[in-house]
Amino acid sequence: DAGVIQSPRHEVTEMGQEVTLRCKPISGHDYLFWYRQTMMRGLELLIYFNNNVPIDDSGMPEDRFSAKMPNASFSTLKIQPSEPRDSAVYFCASSLGKLINQPQHFGDGTRLSIL
Amino acid sequence: DQQVKQNSPSLSVQEGRISILNCDYTNSMFDYFLWYKKYPAEGPTFLISISSIKDKNEDGRFTVFLNKSAKHLSLHIVPSQPGDSAVYFCAASFTETSGSRLTFGEGTQLTVNP
Repeated sequence: DAGVIQSPRHEVTEMGQEVTLRCKPISGHDYLFWYRQTMMRGLELLIYFNNNVPIDDSGMPEDRFSAKMPNASFSTLKIQPSEPRDSAVYFCASSLGKLINQPQHFGDGTRLSIL
Repeated sequence: DQQVKQNSPSLSVQEGRISILNCDYTNSMFDYFLWYKKYPAEGPTFLISISSIKDKNEDGRFTVFLNKSAKHLSLHIVPSQPGDSAVYFCAASFTETSGSRLTFGEGTQLTVNP
């Protein structure tokens, strides 16, 4: 029974480069979430989708960040251009239905380092 | 503005004893609370939750207590085991207005010593 799958697990790139993080949610889940974890701000929600439609992107820090969900089994989080302060662990999570009925299931994260 | 706060960055207990992790929140509109556990290099995993209509929820060794008047919740682990050593996050949500948005605390590193 596959969980949430994120790729890559680690990404090291230079400042100014485009970064694309990928997520495959659990099959059948209709909610998908992108989180960022940093020492300063902890775990913060960036954006979430319901049935592939973005519902709340108020946590997206800047226009350099964008997220898409072209179908129910795939989502991307893109940073262009990347900056050193974007270095963090990025988590994707999915859930079935509303929170009160089903907890969110997290992937193992992508550790991003921008040099 | 940190709406969910875990004031203890770390906690160390002996195996077999009780672990008590605390969490405070500022927004009285939060009505659903969860605890997640996180091991290094893994994503958080759901542990236990509680709705604001309850003041206690128990699942095996884990019990969550909610004190709405104090805007405080706690997670009790009895008895503590070395495998419980992890970072514990509490999270809160307004289920009616935002559906599934979670606000997390900063996390508490629990170490259970054999």
